Formats: sequence, structure tokens, C-alpha cells
Amino acid sequence: SAVISQKPSRDICQRGTSLTIQCQVDSQVTMMFWYRQQPGQSLTLIATANQGSEATYESGFVIDKFPISRPNLTFSTLTVSNMSPEDSSIYLCSVEARTSGMGEQFFGPGTRLTVL
Amino acid sequence: AQSVTQLGSHVSVSEGALVLLRCNYSSSVPPYLFWYVQYPNQGLQLLLKYTTGATLVKGINGFEAEFKKSETSFHLTKPSAHMSDAAEYFCAVSDMNSGYSTLTFGKGTMLLVSP
Repeated sequence: SAVISQKPSRDICQRGTSLTIQCQVDSQVTMMFWYRQQPGQSLTLIATANQGSEATYESGFVIDKFPISRPNLTFSTLTVSNMSPEDSSIYLCSVEARTSGMGEQFFGPGTRLTVL
Repeated sequence: AQSVTQLGSHVSVSEGALVLLRCNYSSSVPPYLFWYVQYPNQGLQLLLKYTTGATLVKGINGFEAEFKKSETSFHLTKPSAHMSDAAEYFCAVSDMNSGYSTLTFGKGTMLLVSP
């Protein structure tokens, strides 16, 4: 299994500002994933981040709003830009289990974001 | 595209009673299926998974699930609920995209356990 940490664990932000969330993994991984979990809802995939290439965004998510960096095989950041109250969610990063190849993912503890 | 349906946003049981959380999926290929649990203010933890082989899979904390292809189901069960089982449970199916897998999640079922 992989140990994943996220920073910050929670934050309260003002409308119109941006927040960068960090995700650190204790081992090298090819793919990292970013999810959004809105209050009372399931997880929705925002984008997939592969080291050395641009992230692949899911329908409904765009790079200008959610820029992602993936500078190396153990780290990624997600920025939530120009925030509005609708961005209040839990943001989770995950990685695919190295030996799986079958979609099993390990998740970080999440970043709980509240936008006022 | 894959999809997952979890019947019941909330399930309430008494401590010691059987737990049954329902999950149905749609997939154009043989699926890989997962159950995750999310305790309050925590990330997701893998409970169990079905990839190939035995259709009855056992996971952590006494949970198990049975893959039934004919019913496109992957229901989660536990013979006797504990108070500590109270959490939200997510069923997920794996989808292969351009050489890597992504997960599609159901809407989740909140399990409530009463004394």
C-alpha cells in the first residue's frame, strides 16, 4: 500500500481567492488522481496527473479553474482558482496501487475546503 | 462508460444485525469492482475488491461481497454489525482509459448502527 498525505487538511477561504493543495506519496507512482467530493455527494474525478505531461481533465473540469502540477513521481498539486462557495468540497488525491493494474487506488485523507 | 448504482442513501441496522449494502454496475467489459469505506473526516479505505477468480471475496473488518454477473451486482454484507461500522460506503467500478484505470463511484450509502 501507499501512504499519502495532503496539505492543508482543511481551510476556509474567501471568494475570489485561490488555494493550492499538496499531495505527497511515500513511493514513486505513475498516475495520481484528483477527486472532488461535494457535501453529501460521491467522489467525482477531476483529472489524472501523469508525471512529465499535462493532466487529463474530465468533462466539466478545466485547467484554468483547476491547474495541476506533477513535478516528480511522488508529488502533485491541485489549485482551486477564483473560488466561489460552490467550490466548497473535500478534495482528495489518490494513486493507483503499483502491483494492481486493475484500478485499485489508495486515497489521501482529503482537504476540506470551505469558501465564504 | 461504466456506471454504479447504490440502492439506498442510508441504511439503518441494530448492533448485531446483518448488514446488506446493495451495488449494481454496468460495464461493457468484465469489471473490476471495489468497496471503499469512509469514516467521518477521513479519506477512503479499501474494504475489498473483485478482479478475477472466486466470486465471493472477503475483506477487512468481517465484510464480504459476492460478484454476480447475471445480476450485475456486487452487494456488500456483514453477518453482525458493530457500532464501529457506522460510516459511508462506496461501491466503485474500474474503467480502462488509454492504458490506465480510473474509478467510477456510486453515490454512497451511509450505514447507521444503533445500540
